[in-house]
Amino acid sequence: EVQLLESRGGLVQPGGSLRLSCAGSGFTFSNYAMNWVRQAPGKGLEWVSGISESGDTTHYAGSVKGRFTISRDNSKNTVYLQMSRLRAEDTAIYYCAKDLVAGGASWGQGTLVTVSS
Amino acid sequence: QSVLTQPPSASGTPGQRVTISCSGSSSNIGSHTVNWYQQVPGTAPKLLIHSHNQRPSGVPDRFSGSRSGTSASLAISGLQSEDEADYHCAAWDDSLDGVVFGGGTKLTVL
Repeated sequence: EVQLLESRGGLVQPGGSLRLSCAGSGFTFSNYAMNWVRQAPGKGLEWVSGISESGDTTHYAGSVKGRFTISRDNSKNTVYLQMSRLRAEDTAIYYCAKDLVAGGASWGQGTLVTVSS
Repeated sequence: QSVLTQPPSASGTPGQRVTISCSGSSSNIGSHTVNWYQQVPGTAPKLLIHSHNQRPSGVPDRFSGSRSGTSASLAISGLQSEDEADYHCAAWDDSLDGVVFGGGTKLTVL
């Protein structure tokens, strides 16, 4: 069974930083691109970032480019999202997902990040 | 403002057929496959349809998808109370070099 387990989010002050991680199991992690998607309270889904199977290609939404960095460690079956210069509008549930626009899509349970003073 | 356009709400009575649309452009739906996700409030999205019209195992055949040009549709027949949820469409976008979502459609079973 495919499982994606995000690390605990938390409360961060504006301008602060936080690193999320997502550990995958039940599939060959290194064979899949991975993504982060967020959902602000009461809002729709917003793709944040994606990384290729090997990690050599990354993509970012315009709203986070230059502030967030996605990376992965295939030896640990883990994908990361380093978030810096956080803003109130980054408050959301953050999900990691595999195969987001393909047939093997799976999502983690999500982790809440709150940016507030 | 979402790149893919969905109606914010839809409704139907048990047993009815409901259709949810997802309108895009040549850089996304027009040239890439569409996934549909079902999200019960408070839970993570679940894959419902991939590659425009393919159902993962375990998804009832009451759910079907289609694409025509730069638009996609999700149809739910024999509506059941458990279908009450939010539905999201998603596709890769060449212009933005990323995944784009619709704004989501809240389905109410009356």
